[in-house]
Amino acid sequence: EAQVTQNPRYLITVTGKKLTVTCSQNMNHEYMSWYRQDPGLGLRQIYYSMNVEVTDKGDVPEGYKVSRKEKRNFPLILESPSPNQTSLYFCASSPTFNQPQHFGDGTRLSIL
Amino acid sequence: AQSVSQHNHHVILSEAASLELGCNYSYGGTVNLFWYVQYPGQHLQLLLKYFSGDPLVKGIKGFEAEFIKSKFSFNLRKPSVQWSDTAEYFCAVNARGGRRALTFGSGTRLQVQP
Repeated sequence: EAQVTQNPRYLITVTGKKLTVTCSQNMNHEYMSWYRQDPGLGLRQIYYSMNVEVTDKGDVPEGYKVSRKEKRNFPLILESPSPNQTSLYFCASSPTFNQPQHFGDGTRLSIL
Repeated sequence: AQSVSQHNHHVILSEAASLELGCNYSYGGTVNLFWYVQYPGQHLQLLLKYFSGDPLVKGIKGFEAEFIKSKFSFNLRKPSVQWSDTAEYFCAVNARGGRRALTFGSGTRLQVQP
């Protein structure tokens, strides 16, 4: 089954404790992306990747890092999380950047 | 930079009413346009997309959208809504000549009352 898998689905943690949210797709898609969803703001793109070793900033990259060492994986790293990063995060992938995206089920992060 | 505006933040309709949700974008070049739907507790799913050709596009579940280039608009319509259409709807755009980024509107929450 074609899917985008995110882990964990839920996480409560404390300020400053590094965390990684994993994202994996099994569709051999070139384009992958991370979004955060906040009430009234819709989805805002954090980072995206056109292909392996090619990443670029989205609209809200501050406080986040990503890597794309393999085509299927695109982890999101919060080196020093802060409460304003409490949000619902979605990973997505598509064959190329201008194709419809397949979304994961989301990761709800709470940073205290 | 591209941006997307959805002016209706919350819409409440009765079943069988007609629906039109507004979406306007700002970008001077050629764009790809999308409508996504997010049912309660679920991830986003594609409703329909416009790349080129006929500006009236049909999607799943009876939805359609019309691209009006002169108005920079891509409004979503459905002639008769059902209770199961209760969801949040997002318009999105990416610019073919610009950054490889997808920009979403802030979303419209649709509530259909039985």
